[in-house]
Amino acid sequence: GAGVSQSPRYKVAKRGQDVALRCDPISGHVSLFWYQQALGQGPEFLTYFQNEAQLDKSGLPSDRFFAERPEGSVSTLKIQRTQQEDSAVYLCASSFRDRRNTEAFFGQGTRLTVV
Amino acid sequence: AQRVTQPEKLLSVFKGAPVELKCNYSYSGSPELFWYVQYSRQRLQLLLRHISRESIKGFTADLNKGETSFHLKKPFAQEEDSAMYYCALRGGGFKTIFGAGTRLFVKA
Repeated sequence: GAGVSQSPRYKVAKRGQDVALRCDPISGHVSLFWYQQALGQGPEFLTYFQNEAQLDKSGLPSDRFFAERPEGSVSTLKIQRTQQEDSAVYLCASSFRDRRNTEAFFGQGTRLTVV
Repeated sequence: AQRVTQPEKLLSVFKGAPVELKCNYSYSGSPELFWYVQYSRQRLQLLLRHISRESIKGFTADLNKGETSFHLKKPFAQEEDSAMYYCALRGGGFKTIFGAGTRLFVKA
């Protein structure tokens, strides 16, 4: 594909519902990042994968958030029992490798609204 | 703690005027610093990084370790520069810390 692809672009969930957000990184990219961007704020780091290994999940706000990348390509961010404070744009980014100053390419994001 | 501060939420300048978007950071080691830009209805993209010491679209940014700043500058703003700009820092780990962003509006 031409770039990082995220789906769905928009998701409305009722409070308490589970959601799954998908990220298709650029083919061959080793590193994959998830960020959460609340309205009026910059992106905040959630988690990082190197291939299928989740090397850093320190940014996940609670145990309701779970991310996986089982085959080292597509990744899914799952949020269980969604709350209103989970409403945000969820961004995925990938980079060819994890070296200093390697450029990360971002997807368009998934806008999650919890009602 | 790692932190990036962009003091201005909105900066409005006239076309042809100089522009400076401020960024201050807090980090005890040697950080990697970046500027990202998001044009209307487009995805976030890298504008420039301090290690490259490059000029992209006429923009430059110099790392000042003494003042812990990485301000973005352009001598003559263009209307197409109107966008959201984010300063970002990466320390020794994997995560990149972003500032809250500054919206630049260039008036005709």
